[in-house]
Amino acid sequence: AQSVTQLDSHVSVSEGTPVLLRCNYSSSYSPSLFWYVQHPNKGLQLLLKYTSAATLVKGINGFEAEFKKSETSFHLTKPSAHMSDAAEYFCVVSFINDMRFGAGTRLTVKP
Amino acid sequence: ETGVTQTPRHLVMGMTNKKSLKCEQHLGHNAMYWYKQSAKKPLELMFVYNFKEQTENNSVPSRFSPECPNSSHLFLHLHTLQPEDSALYLCASSQVGTGGDTGELFFGEGSRLTVL
Repeated sequence: AQSVTQLDSHVSVSEGTPVLLRCNYSSSYSPSLFWYVQHPNKGLQLLLKYTSAATLVKGINGFEAEFKKSETSFHLTKPSAHMSDAAEYFCVVSFINDMRFGAGTRLTVKP
Repeated sequence: ETGVTQTPRHLVMGMTNKKSLKCEQHLGHNAMYWYKQSAKKPLELMFVYNFKEQTENNSVPSRFSPECPNSSHLFLHLHTLQPEDSALYLCASSQVGTGGDTGELFFGEGSRLTVL
């Protein structure tokens, strides 16, 4: 069985400051991990994915995530937030055909 | 521009109406999915079609009826819905590997359904 927990339902940062969105997972296997972003009234878009290659994964729009097996974490970071980063972010754990979505973290960016 | 197109983007219907949501993927993928996204709840997988065959039905009420005529098109037929069915319905596609790995999902922009 697999599960994923996003530790914060809402994160608020100021423009130009770092972003940290936290994700912990549970899996009996060696899963793939994803981060998706959803802007208002839009579908989900893939930000980045981990598939057992490099543990530090770089994605689009300056985001990156680090896979830490010992901590079962896959936190999403960005050095400097932009207003356009305001959106809902979803962490996903997947193994074969079992894909589980986290509940989402809403990121607010203040001017 | 998305490779997965959903229509209509917005739909309002009464509980006795019959309507359909349509999804088309232009990515050459072999699997398509319907998800339900409600406020304050995680994304819920409803149906999975792999090579046009339904491989998953997550205990979805029979008032939701999927149809997959080919690997590029997916429909969700709606009838006798309830107000609690109001949600954003997202279609996705992926290229499932030979080992059954789902792979990366590509989502449409969703159909916002309101049931009165």
